[in-house]
Amino acid sequence: EAGVTQFPSHSVIEKGQTVTLRCDPISGHDNLYWYRRVMGKEIKFLLHFVKESKQDESGMPNNRFLAERTGGTYSTLKVQPAELEDSGVYFCASSHNRYGLFFGSGTQLSVL
Amino acid sequence: GENVEQHPSTLSVQEGDSAVIKCTYSDSASNYFPWYKQELGKRPQLIIDIRSNVGEKKDQRIAVTLNKTAKHFSLHITETQPEDSAVYFCAATYSGGGADGLTFGKGTHLIIQP
Repeated sequence: EAGVTQFPSHSVIEKGQTVTLRCDPISGHDNLYWYRRVMGKEIKFLLHFVKESKQDESGMPNNRFLAERTGGTYSTLKVQPAELEDSGVYFCASSHNRYGLFFGSGTQLSVL
Repeated sequence: GENVEQHPSTLSVQEGDSAVIKCTYSDSASNYFPWYKQELGKRPQLIIDIRSNVGEKKDQRIAVTLNKTAKHFSLHITETQPEDSAVYFCAATYSGGGADGLTFGKGTHLIIQP
């Protein structure tokens, strides 16, 4: 069974540019989550999809972040325009029920 | 919202000794408490979890205890081995409601000394 895959693994962009992160969950997992870890700090919840619907987006920092999950399969997280404080590791996770999250390897985003 | 505190931030133990990592949570409605292990350069992986209807759960060398009254839970690793070296994250959530994103602790870097 393929795990959760994320693209790209690393992204280096300049302040003001746009970046789009992609997550492919485990097939059949309706629940998809985005998390972010800023260096040395905790992993913070960003949002939760159930199929294509946003169940909870209370962790999204501001309106520069836009997440989509068209068709209830893969998801994208766009940051536009990127700021320095957006740097960190962005993790995607999926689950069949609300327990037992399976994480992707993360996207290391560096905003210069 | 939920707030999870995790201690210590770094823990160094001799191989073969036990390691204990402690977490406290603030929301008494939280009912699901997983622990994740993240080895260097790898993804976080679930190693054990506990639900609020039990006080303790064991899986080989790993155990987790939960004290709902005090709102704290702990990870216990016995007979530590070099491969136990990693960052461990505790988390808490209310699972069953509409908003069930995990709230994570800041992580504990566990170092196993040979």
